Amino acid sequence: ILNVEQSPQSLHVQEGDSTNFTCSFPSSNFYALHWYRWETAKSPEALFVMTLNGDEKKKGRISATLNTKEGYSYLYIKGSQPEDSATYLCASPGYQKVTFGIGTKLQVIP
Amino acid sequence: SQTIHQWPATLVQPVGSPLSLECTVEGTSNPNLYWYRQAAGRGLQLLFYSVGIGQISSEVPQNLSASRPQDRQFILSSKKLLLSDSGFYLCAWSVRGQTNTGELFFGEGSRLTVL
Repeated sequence: ILNVEQSPQSLHVQEGDSTNFTCSFPSSNFYALHWYRWETAKSPEALFVMTLNGDEKKKGRISATLNTKEGYSYLYIKGSQPEDSATYLCASPGYQKVTFGIGTKLQVIP
Repeated sequence: SQTIHQWPATLVQPVGSPLSLECTVEGTSNPNLYWYRQAAGRGLQLLFYSVGIGQISSEVPQNLSASRPQDRQFILSSKKLLLSDSGFYLCAWSVRGQTNTGELFFGEGSRLTVL
């Protein structure tokens, strides 16, 4: 994998459903993996910065896992709420620069 | 606490006109600075990054240029805008020394429409 790839690109879920999406990144020369949440009319804000293989991080109902050997990370949202509606970006820092995936746009339907 | 501001927030410019977007960071020294662009239906594309005054790295050959005249000031410019320059521009900073791991902190964004 040469670039940071995310799937799906968009997702609609019902309020209360749990969901997850994927980020794939180059596993060679790995430094870290970032997850950001980008709400409409706001700036992206970091959710997690993950550096170690096997890392699991949690913030409220949102959690993420990291597999650096195979080059993927999952973001999980448990019991989705309308306020979780946003675009979720993952990013892979390299030497002096940070490359983003296209994002997963999540819409939670009340 | 650290803050980042960029302006203007919105601008509509005719093709062929110049552009200047400005970004400043407060509350930190020697930040790494970045300009990203999101074109319609696409992800965040890195345009320029800077690790110090006068040090600019360009990621994509294009109609834009960047400058860093002061430690916490980053400017995105164009002499003649193209229609394809339309998009949402984000300035960001990260802590020096955490270039390869540290999170990015973003400005409020500037929406550019070229007509």
